[in-house]
Amino acid sequence: SQQGEEDPQALSIQEGENATMNCSYKTSINNLQWYRQNSGRGLVHLILIRSNEREKHSGRLRVTLDTSKKSSSLLITASRAADTASYFCATVEGNEKLTFGTGTRLTIIP
Amino acid sequence: NAGVTQTPKFQVLKTGQSMTLQCAQDMNHNSMYWYRQDPGMGLRLIYYSASEGTTDKGEVPNGYNVSRLNKREFSLRLESAAPSQTSVYFCASSGRGNNQPQHFGDGTRLSIL
Repeated sequence: SQQGEEDPQALSIQEGENATMNCSYKTSINNLQWYRQNSGRGLVHLILIRSNEREKHSGRLRVTLDTSKKSSSLLITASRAADTASYFCATVEGNEKLTFGTGTRLTIIP
Repeated sequence: NAGVTQTPKFQVLKTGQSMTLQCAQDMNHNSMYWYRQDPGMGLRLIYYSASEGTTDKGEVPNGYNVSRLNKREFSLRLESAAPSQTSVYFCASSGRGNNQPQHFGDGTRLSIL
């Protein structure tokens, strides 16, 4: 069963704008990870946030985690055409296994 | 550095045929995984291997078998392919521990007619 649900399912924005994607999950977690998938390619790891962290940054990416609400958000600032991809959240519970959400398809309009 | 390599990239099978999907990683990772990705469903774990010589079932193991041949290689076998197994299959690997990212191959696109 899917642990995470991303919202929205699809998002289109103008280049230069910020993109925000949300992820909700159901159980207690050890950490939450975000991945990007370009069309026809495998997933690429973006960022990992541990359950005792509330916010993390990596370049133009900002991830927040609210364990009380069982939710996370991914913010991509100053979007570029190359950011067009699908984005997935994935949770880790007590072991190394990832449970993925259904993904958000992001389109950046030049 | 090749990372995770999957072969073949594409395959068409007839119902009832068997085949093995190959995966190899060159990052000296202990853990390896097989997922399937279907439209609108994200990735679902089929099998994983926490170390050489061990394998465990994931969320959707029925109809599949795996072999952890050595530390580098983890293969997925379909003994009698069914149309419901039409999907994109991804192999991944990671270092030991919960806080390790997974590294993915580019997938095998499998169609069962």
